[in-house]
Amino acid sequence: QVQLQESGPGLVKPSQSLSLTCIVSGISISRGGYHWTWIRQHPGKGLEWIGYISYSGSANYSPSLTGRISISLDTSKNQFSLRLASVTAADTAIYYCARDLIMPAMSKDAFDMWGQGTMVTVSS
Amino acid sequence: DIQMTQSPSSLSASVGDRVTVTCRASQSIGTSLNWYQQIPGRAPKLLIYAATSLQSGVPSRFGGSGSGTDFTLTISSLQPEDFATYYCQQSYNTPRTFGQGTKVEF
Repeated sequence: QVQLQESGPGLVKPSQSLSLTCIVSGISISRGGYHWTWIRQHPGKGLEWIGYISYSGSANYSPSLTGRISISLDTSKNQFSLRLASVTAADTAIYYCARDLIMPAMSKDAFDMWGQGTMVTVSS
Repeated sequence: DIQMTQSPSSLSASVGDRVTVTCRASQSIGTSLNWYQQIPGRAPKLLIYAATSLQSGVPSRFGGSGSGTDFTLTISSLQPEDFATYYCQQSYNTPRTFGQGTKVEF
């Protein structure tokens, strides 16, 4: 079955970069029809879409993070990664990777698979 | 960005109750609306996609309706495992945006 698993440091210092990886198993990330997505949730708050990378390598980012964010694909390891530069305490959150399944024939475009999430704290 | 507004922010209900959560989009999004359930400490789970379609494996007591700007999630008979927070999300354009959540409490 398809599984997503986030990995990365749980603590990042202010002004440094946050780097997370999502390891995907059960399906090739090179397969069309998916956007490989990052979503975060500030403690006790709602969900915030960060951005995605498609199977072809094209990326789409949240305007609120443009300039600080980069999402990349590593097909050889079947994983995708998030890099967020110049972090502040406002970037403290649970970070989820998710699969955005796109099936136009069914009008389906939804996050149908999620990782368990990883808590990242920005603090000195 | 499309703003998604849910109501209520929280509600109290009992097992067996019929529960309704509403979601309003700041512009028309057709039926590009999904619903998720989040249990504390867990990742969100897809319940409904394209406003009305039940995700595989989700109990039939969950239902979705609406189009344009106004949408509804209904739980026909609340079960103990349904006490959670529910989010709507638009897939009409990017950035994808979520409602602020509705917490269903005992």
